[in-house]
Amino acid sequence: GQNIDQPTEMTATEGAIVQINCTYQTSGFNGLFWYQQHAGEAPTFLSYNVLDGLEEKGRFSSFLSRSKGYSYLLLKELQMKDSASYLCAFLDSNYQLIWGAGTKLIIKP
Amino acid sequence: ETGVTQTPRHLVMGMTNKKSLKCEQHLGHNAMYWYKQSAKKPLELMFVYNFKEQTENNSVPSRFSPECPNSSHLFLHLHTLQPEDSALYLCASSQDNGGYNEQFFGPGTRLTVL
Repeated sequence: GQNIDQPTEMTATEGAIVQINCTYQTSGFNGLFWYQQHAGEAPTFLSYNVLDGLEEKGRFSSFLSRSKGYSYLLLKELQMKDSASYLCAFLDSNYQLIWGAGTKLIIKP
Repeated sequence: ETGVTQTPRHLVMGMTNKKSLKCEQHLGHNAMYWYKQSAKKPLELMFVYNFKEQTENNSVPSRFSPECPNSSHLFLHLHTLQPEDSALYLCASSQDNGGYNEQFFGPGTRLTVL
């Protein structure tokens, strides 16, 4: 079967670093996405990983280990505007996105 | 602004009403999607259209009826809904429905069924 799991909620401090983990199980895999969704707004694309390793994009980095079925999103120098839900999703063998329930990130001053 | 618009942004309807949700994308994409988002649950894919043809219908009840008149417009017609259908309905589009394709989402319609 297929499943994907991420923490429901995390809290971090402004200026700090936070890592949001995502684990998945699937027989077919075609990459993993991270999206950001502010309350009441559309999800917006952050990253896509299909090869193992770390991809850095400004303050945000995304890591993938296909052998471990594991990804994380790393947010550095946290700002209050980073308070949002972070959704991970993988592309299965049929190129259909399988979504996690999202991690609500709360940033405190 | 993602290039995908949805109307209305909020909708309250009774169980016997008929209403429609509208989605429009200005990105020149060929695939469009309807998702249901309930609190603390994963996004549920409802329907997929690729080049105006429906390619996915994930066991969605018939009280939800999609329509895709062209690659830029997508509708979701609602009829005799249930209170458990209350959720955020998101529309998305992508270049096409294959391989790696970033999906661009609209802001959603917050639906409340009384």
